[in-house]
Amino acid sequence: DTGVSQDPRHKITKRGQNVTFRCDPISEHNRLYWYRQTLGQGPEFLTYFQNEAQLEKSRLLSDRFSAERPKGSFSTLEIQRTEQGDSAMYLCASTPTGASYEQYFGPGTRLTVT
Amino acid sequence: GDSVTQMEGPVTLSEEAFLTINCTYTATGYPSLFWYVQYPGEGLQLLLKATKADDKGSNKGFEATYRKETTSFHLEKGSVQVSDSAVYFCALSDMIAAGNKLTFGGGTRVLVKP
Repeated sequence: DTGVSQDPRHKITKRGQNVTFRCDPISEHNRLYWYRQTLGQGPEFLTYFQNEAQLEKSRLLSDRFSAERPKGSFSTLEIQRTEQGDSAMYLCASTPTGASYEQYFGPGTRLTVT
Repeated sequence: GDSVTQMEGPVTLSEEAFLTINCTYTATGYPSLFWYVQYPGEGLQLLLKATKADDKGSNKGFEATYRKETTSFHLEKGSVQVSDSAVYFCALSDMIAAGNKLTFGGGTRVLVKP
């Protein structure tokens, strides 16, 4: 399977703990995106990378959130001092740079903060 | 900023019925328009897309036409099947202004009964 993969698929954590999610994009896809989807809503953009450079961050991404994409391959999204409001599905998507506009999504990581 | 509005669900239909899901958008640039589908327990998948005015996207019997004059991209299918039960998301991306990030509507849940 050469699709976008995300790990873990589910994470339950206590409020105040730190969590880190990983996304492995489709090989050779230069762009990688993170979205957050709360129950019953559409995904909301968080941030994106062109290779290893983080080019845009949403205002939704508070200082407790940080994302990296070392070497332009996999990416990690870390949430520090989690809050109950962080409970959501975190989606990763990748796309090649160029004329193709399709983003390929991973299965997501469901975070529950208790 | 960019935004997408789609009809709220759930939409409940009988098999072989006609399906329409309305979607309208607001964008400052020249967006591409998409319909994504999320089947139960699965990740987001691209259903169809249109990249300029009057383009018609089609796939799996679904169609949508990019109407710039009405800023709409309504999804239609002439005869639905039980397997079409899913959540459908309308989305746009503006390659020039916003790095190809996707802006989603809130989603419409469709339930097709045999």
